[in-house]
Amino acid sequence: DAGVIQSPRHEVTEMGQEVTLRCKPISGHNSLFWYRQTMMRGLELLIYFNNNVPIDDSGMPEDRFSAKMPNASFSTLKIQPSEPRDSAVYFCASSLGQIQETQYFGPGTRLLVL
Amino acid sequence: AQKITQTQPGMFVQEKEAVTLDCTYDTSDPSYGLFWYKQPSSGEMIFLIYQGSYDQQNATEGRYSLNFQKARKSANLVISASQLGDSAMYFCAMRNRDDKIIFGKGTRLHILP
Repeated sequence: DAGVIQSPRHEVTEMGQEVTLRCKPISGHNSLFWYRQTMMRGLELLIYFNNNVPIDDSGMPEDRFSAKMPNASFSTLKIQPSEPRDSAVYFCASSLGQIQETQYFGPGTRLLVL
Repeated sequence: AQKITQTQPGMFVQEKEAVTLDCTYDTSDPSYGLFWYKQPSSGEMIFLIYQGSYDQQNATEGRYSLNFQKARKSANLVISASQLGDSAMYFCAMRNRDDKIIFGKGTRLHILP
């Protein structure tokens, strides 16, 4: 099993640029989660999908952030335009949609906005 | 409101000693799951152990056990015979029927040789 795959692993960009983070969940998992982790704010849930449908995006910081899940095997998180305060590690996680099912995390994308 | 509280921002423990990491939670939902994750310095999130709200026995996974006290709404992680490789950040998390998982702020554990 390949696990959750994220790309890129590292991204350095300049303020104002568009950033697209990608995630491939574990095959068969029907829930997908995007998190952001910073030293100051810890691990924050940005948005999650169930069966490709966004269920809760209340954690998305502002309109500059958008997420899509066009099919069961792919999701993107886009920041446009990016700002230095968006610098963080972004994790994607997937799970089966039951309470007892754990989330499996990808390796994360470390984003630095200059 | 659903909430996870980890009151120990950091801990130092001597190698081979047992460690207890505290976690309290708040939810009005009778059905929920509790999880512990480990995040070493390399950054990945590693699932350690799960406890369901209806489980009668405390969960155990190797050196990890979960001290589940439902009436007190606590789910402490116990690591027996700590090892240097246990040094990491540890997160407690809760999942309710709305499918969302919320995380505590974590406890950084340092194992001393």
